[in-house]
Amino acid sequence: DGGITQSPKYLFRKEGQNVTLSCEQNLNHDAMYWYRQDPGQGLRLIYYSQIVNDFQKGDIAEGYSVSREKKESFPLTVTSAQKNPTAFYLCASSVPRGGYGYTFGSGTRLTVV
Amino acid sequence: AQKVTQAQTEISVVEKEDVTLDCVYETRDTTYYLFWYKQPPSGELVFLIRRNSFDEQNEISGRYSWNFQKSTSSFNFTITASQVVDSAVYFCALSPYNNNDMRFGAGTRLTVKP
Repeated sequence: DGGITQSPKYLFRKEGQNVTLSCEQNLNHDAMYWYRQDPGQGLRLIYYSQIVNDFQKGDIAEGYSVSREKKESFPLTVTSAQKNPTAFYLCASSVPRGGYGYTFGSGTRLTVV
Repeated sequence: AQKVTQAQTEISVVEKEDVTLDCVYETRDTTYYLFWYKQPPSGELVFLIRRNSFDEQNEISGRYSWNFQKSTSSFNFTITASQVVDSAVYFCALSPYNNNDMRFGAGTRLTVKP
């Protein structure tokens, strides 16, 4: 079955360390997205990519970095510059046309210890 | 600019009650799509429905129904005879007709108590 796989489900990071969250999709979608969700909050867009080797900053890109070397993969690195990285991170993908909505992964919960 | 407002942050009901989740949107586009997603405690957002702006017919799917009113820019979601399994965060979203830029509301957390 096609879908999006995010790993790991839970991740613990020490302050000052970079950490990379994995997102892989086998839906053949061109576009991929990263969202951050804090407790009781909505979704905030971190980065998105409409095509391989290209990506754009979202609303809260500071302290994060991404790459899009393959169509099926869009890893997110949370750097030490992100001052409050503890959150739930969701990856999504879509076709590059209106009306199809997004398919979401099951998320990664990152905790700084 | 596109915007989606879900004014209800949290709703709590007792099982078997009916509950309506409100969604109001703003867009300058004449054609667009509206969506509802459910986020259960497991975390993944699950697609519930898509409605395009051409079609103002209400839709019913089992205990779920959606009321789209273009005149008031609203796309409300009603759960009839709520169940504990309906407990989740529900997101309303809006996207243009010709691209995949999607704007989400802040979500409404629904708690259904037994």
